[in-house]
Amino acid sequence: NAGVTQTPKFQVLKTGQSMTLQCAQDMNHEYMSWYRQDPGMGLRLIHYSVGAGITDQGEVPNGYNVSRSTTEDFPLRLLSAAPSQTSVYFCASSYEWDKGVLFFGEGSRLTVL
Amino acid sequence: RKEVEQDPGPFNVPEGATVAFNCTYSNSASQSFFWYRQDCRKEPKLLMSVYSSGNEDGRFTAQLNRASQYISLLIRDSKLSDSATYLCVVNQAGTALIFGKGTTLSVSS
Repeated sequence: NAGVTQTPKFQVLKTGQSMTLQCAQDMNHEYMSWYRQDPGMGLRLIHYSVGAGITDQGEVPNGYNVSRSTTEDFPLRLLSAAPSQTSVYFCASSYEWDKGVLFFGEGSRLTVL
Repeated sequence: RKEVEQDPGPFNVPEGATVAFNCTYSNSASQSFFWYRQDCRKEPKLLMSVYSSGNEDGRFTAQLNRASQYISLLIRDSKLSDSATYLCVVNQAGTALIFGKGTTLSVSS
């Protein structure tokens, strides 16, 4: 099983550029989420979705947009990249959003120059 | 006060040692507790859930103390392969999971 697939794995952007991090899961999970992980900061929730058509903000949503048009896909968009968005981004999914068993993608390493 | 706090370590132990990590949480309404493991430059993976009565999985034992609002992870007979960062995760019903910043373990031969 593929599980949670994130693309790209690595990306370098210039300040002001836009891009989309893709996330897809094949486990029919209703809950999907995006985290960023920075040294000394741990995992911080950016946005999450409890089902198709439903999204909500997490702890650090500014500068990011999401949409959930299908159960499988949950893309994360950076509209105007800033150096502060240099981070490792993880997508995660779960059968039930508050039950704790998250399956993570392998991560996307983003550098904004 | 942070919602979930962990000693960042690093904990440096020799093979065969027993090591314990603690994690404290601030929200007394928290209902679910977990330990995740994250290898260097990899994604986090669920290690084990933590039940009220405590639970064991091989060399790993997790315990919950609701009165003092902390959970613990005990690793016996440490292996080189146990070297990783261990993340404490907490939530209450109807909210997203809260991750601690992690405790780094390094096991040496």
